[in-house]
Amino acid sequence: NAGVMQNPRHLVRRRGQEARLRCSPMKGHSHVYWYRQLPEEGLKFMVYLQKENIIDESGMPKERFSAEFPKEGPSILRIQQVVRGDSAAYFCASSGDGQETQYFGPGTRLLVL
Amino acid sequence: AQSVSQHNHHVILSEAASLELGCNYSYGGTVNLFWYVQYPGQHLQLLLKYFSGDPLVKGIKGFEAEFIKSKFSFNLRKPSVQWSDTAEYFCAVSLNTGGFKTIFGAGTRLFVKA
Repeated sequence: NAGVMQNPRHLVRRRGQEARLRCSPMKGHSHVYWYRQLPEEGLKFMVYLQKENIIDESGMPKERFSAEFPKEGPSILRIQQVVRGDSAAYFCASSGDGQETQYFGPGTRLLVL
Repeated sequence: AQSVSQHNHHVILSEAASLELGCNYSYGGTVNLFWYVQYPGQHLQLLLKYFSGDPLVKGIKGFEAEFIKSKFSFNLRKPSVQWSDTAEYFCAVSLNTGGFKTIFGAGTRLFVKA
C-alpha cells in the first residue's frame, strides 16, 4: 500500500533551466497539495489541486511556477527559468477529500546552481 | 490573514523532562488541527489531529494535544520525552475557505539530550 511518492528525490538545475517535480498521491486520493520548505523555515502552502482542477493557488508565485493534476498520471509542479532562490525542499501531500488528513511524500530537494 | 504561530523555534530538554510546545492560530471559523513531526532526514508524519469532539486528543508515541477554542490554541504535550523524540514539530491548521487550505507553523526544533 504505497504512500505518497515524489520524484526525483533530488534535482540539480542551473539557473534558467526548468524543473519538473512529480507527485503520485496515495491510492484512492484525489486531492493534492504542494508545499515549499526553505532552509530554516516551515512549510509554505503553494497550491491545492483536485483532478484536472486548481482549487487554491494563493501560495504560488505569480510567475514561472505552475501546477497541474491531470486525469491520468501524477501531479506536476513546474518551475521555469529557475533562480537560486528556488532552492528548497518541495513536499507534496494528498488526501481522500479536502477535509481529511494530508499524507506527505518524502519531498524533492531542488538545488539551483 | 490566517496564520499559525509556534512559540518556540528551538527547545532543548533532557530525557524524562516534560514537553509542551505552544501553537496558536488566527482564524475565526471552523478549523481542523494537526501536529506533524519530521525526524531528521525523513518526511512529515502525522502525530495527532483534532476535527471535533473531545478537545484532548491522544496521538502516537505518547503525545497529546489540547484544543482550547477560546484561546485559539492547540498545544502539544508529552509527560516524559526520550532521545528518539529529537525532531522538528509542526502545528498545522486546516481552514474551510471554500476548499480546505492548510497553514503550517514555522516549526519547533526539539533536541533531547541523552
